[in-house]
Amino acid sequence: KQEVTQIPAALSVPEGENLVLNCSFTDSAIYNLQWFRQDPGKGLTSLLLIQSSQREQTSGRLNASLDKSSGRSTLYIAASQPGDSATYLCAVSRSARQLTFGSGTQLTVLP
Amino acid sequence: ETGVTQSPTHLIKTRGQQVTLRCSSQSGHNTVSWYQQALGQGPQFIFQYYREEENGRGNFPPRFSGLQFPNYSSELNVNALELDDSALYLCASKGPVTDNEQFFGPGTRLTVL
Repeated sequence: KQEVTQIPAALSVPEGENLVLNCSFTDSAIYNLQWFRQDPGKGLTSLLLIQSSQREQTSGRLNASLDKSSGRSTLYIAASQPGDSATYLCAVSRSARQLTFGSGTQLTVLP
Repeated sequence: ETGVTQSPTHLIKTRGQQVTLRCSSQSGHNTVSWYQQALGQGPQFIFQYYREEENGRGNFPPRFSGLQFPNYSSELNVNALELDDSALYLCASKGPVTDNEQFFGPGTRLTVL
C-alpha cells in the first residue's frame, strides 16, 4: 500500500527566503507525482505535474524534482512571498485512477 | 475553459440522513474522481467514474455511491450519515490525455450533527 509522507508538517519563514518542502513515498512504481496548493477551506490548485520519466518541472518561482528510485520529491519555492502562505500537498499516482496524498505542509510566509 | 464546479458549498445534515453532492467537470474532461478530506489530513480517494461506469474505488463502504451522467457531470451520494462523514468533499476531473493531471473543484463542506 502506497504511503506518502510530507515533512515538515508546518513551516514558518520570513518573506524573501528560498525554501524546500519534502515529500516521500514508499512504492517507487508511480505513474506521476503532482504538487498542489490548498488555501484554508478551499479546493486544490494544481502547481506542477512530474511524469515518472521526468526529473523535474518548473513554473515561475516553483521547481519540483523527482527521484523515483529513492521515493522522494522536493518542491522548491524561490523568493517566498506572503501570498505563498497555504498548505502544500503532494500526491502520487500508480495508475490513471487514484491519487494518494500526503497530509501536507502548512507554510506561513511572514511579511 | 470552465473549471470544475461543485454544489452546494456547505451542507449540514443530521446522523442517519442521506446527502447528494454534485460536480460539473471541466470542459472536455470525461473522468471524474471523488475525494474525502478530513480536517488536517490529505484527501482520501473514494471512487472514480469514466464514461458513466465506476472505474476504481477506495476503502469506503457501500453507503458511498456515485453516478456519472452523459454530460460527464457527477453525483456523490452518502446514505446513513455518520458523524465521521463530516469532511470536505472534493471532486476532480481529468481529460482523455494520458498524463493523468487532475483538476479539483472548490469542494463541499459537509457537517454531520
